[in-house]
Amino acid sequence: QQQVKQSPQSLIVQKGGISIINCAYENTAFDYFPWYQQFPGKGPALLIAIRPDVSEKKEGRFTISFNKSAKQFSLHIMDSQPGDSATYFCAASIGAGSYQLTFGKGTKLSVIP
Amino acid sequence: KAGVTQTPRYLIKTRGQQVTLSCSPISGHRSVSWYQQTPGQGLQFLFEYFSETQRNKGNFPGRFSGRQFSNSRSEMNVSTLELGDSALYLCASSLGGSSGANVLTFGAGSRLTVL
Repeated sequence: QQQVKQSPQSLIVQKGGISIINCAYENTAFDYFPWYQQFPGKGPALLIAIRPDVSEKKEGRFTISFNKSAKQFSLHIMDSQPGDSATYFCAASIGAGSYQLTFGKGTKLSVIP
Repeated sequence: KAGVTQTPRYLIKTRGQQVTLSCSPISGHRSVSWYQQTPGQGLQFLFEYFSETQRNKGNFPGRFSGRQFSNSRSEMNVSTLELGDSALYLCASSLGGSSGANVLTFGAGSRLTVL
């Protein structure tokens, strides 16, 4: 049973455009929602994270939008650059002290010049 | 400061064999988590150790086991290997506190191929 559904599987965006990746979760007990970025040959790296008490969090060109009632959250990458080409994973966990993340299946983003 | 180190980076085994993977966390980090990454299932949680104790375990068969040493280094073992165990095994370390955000720092992984 997939508890975090991520879409699209792949995404091609022109340089300077906006990349949008969506995730939906089922378990209402989830209370921490991080996004990870993974380059080929590397492990995932934390990009940005949000808790359900806020609807939006922005860090540089990266923004998470969170809709608690719809149980959905999304990652927006503004002014996308070729260096942003990577696989992005959304995730969710229960409790601040939990290290058991439930991941979405990933979105491969390609930013073309 | 050094990141999370996983060894070996690549290995090939045959069905029925067993394998041991090693993870050295970031200095000062006391929690080590293990994840399996495959194209079909994505990233799946295996288990998490803190101060040599397993705190959480994912939904994997008993063939998958792990341990953590007093210096926080961790090993995971897979016995009686099956073809489906072919995957990238990722280790992640964190400070391990029970409050605050659970920030995981992942290593580059150990890629296991089972023939």
